[in-house]
Amino acid sequence: QKEVEQNSGPLSVPEGAIASLNCTYSDRVSQSFFWYRQYSGKSPELIMSIYSNGDKEDGRFTAQLNKASQYVSLLIRDSQPSDSATYLCAVEMDSNYQLIWGAGTKLIIKP
Amino acid sequence: SAVISQKPSRDICQRGTSLTIQCQVDSQVTMMFWYRQQPGQSLTLIATANQGSEATYESGFVIDKFPISRPNLTFSTLTVSNMSPEDSSIYLCSAKEYSYEQYFGPGTRLTVT
Repeated sequence: QKEVEQNSGPLSVPEGAIASLNCTYSDRVSQSFFWYRQYSGKSPELIMSIYSNGDKEDGRFTAQLNKASQYVSLLIRDSQPSDSATYLCAVEMDSNYQLIWGAGTKLIIKP
Repeated sequence: SAVISQKPSRDICQRGTSLTIQCQVDSQVTMMFWYRQQPGQSLTLIATANQGSEATYESGFVIDKFPISRPNLTFSTLTVSNMSPEDSSIYLCSAKEYSYEQYFGPGTRLTVT
């Protein structure tokens, strides 16, 4: 059974600080990794995708991938109250392009 | 990225009835998926909608309860049949092309009374 694990939180971070969200996965052959943000009552919104080891930066967001450790993380710099949401980690299965989802981490940014 | 719309956005239905949810994508896509999300939980894949063939259902979901159509590369429907209160949930469709990201529609909030 392929799994994706996240700490469900809530993770509370002061406004302006760096929020660090982590995810581990079990399928060693997976090549595609995604972070989605989901506000309460809304559908998931893709914020980052990463396919290679290392860091990928997009504005205040940095995704980090370490395939040897089977670990993906998302850093949010200069956290804003509007970043408060649930962040879902998803790993794509090579065989059929389906996504395996983590349980999501609820992030709260405190003003 | 694909823009995806769903209808209806929400509905309240009586037990024993059926509801069909429509999903429209603004471009042709190879893959469309249907998910269910219970409050406070992550996403559960119901099935992959295949154009020109039967949908592929995940464990715990059957065609008689959740019939799916995919008549072309931009449209799919999911029917929730013979509904019970346990079917109350948010139903989401998503779409992707090979080697590209998966995008979601806004969801359909279903309440069964």
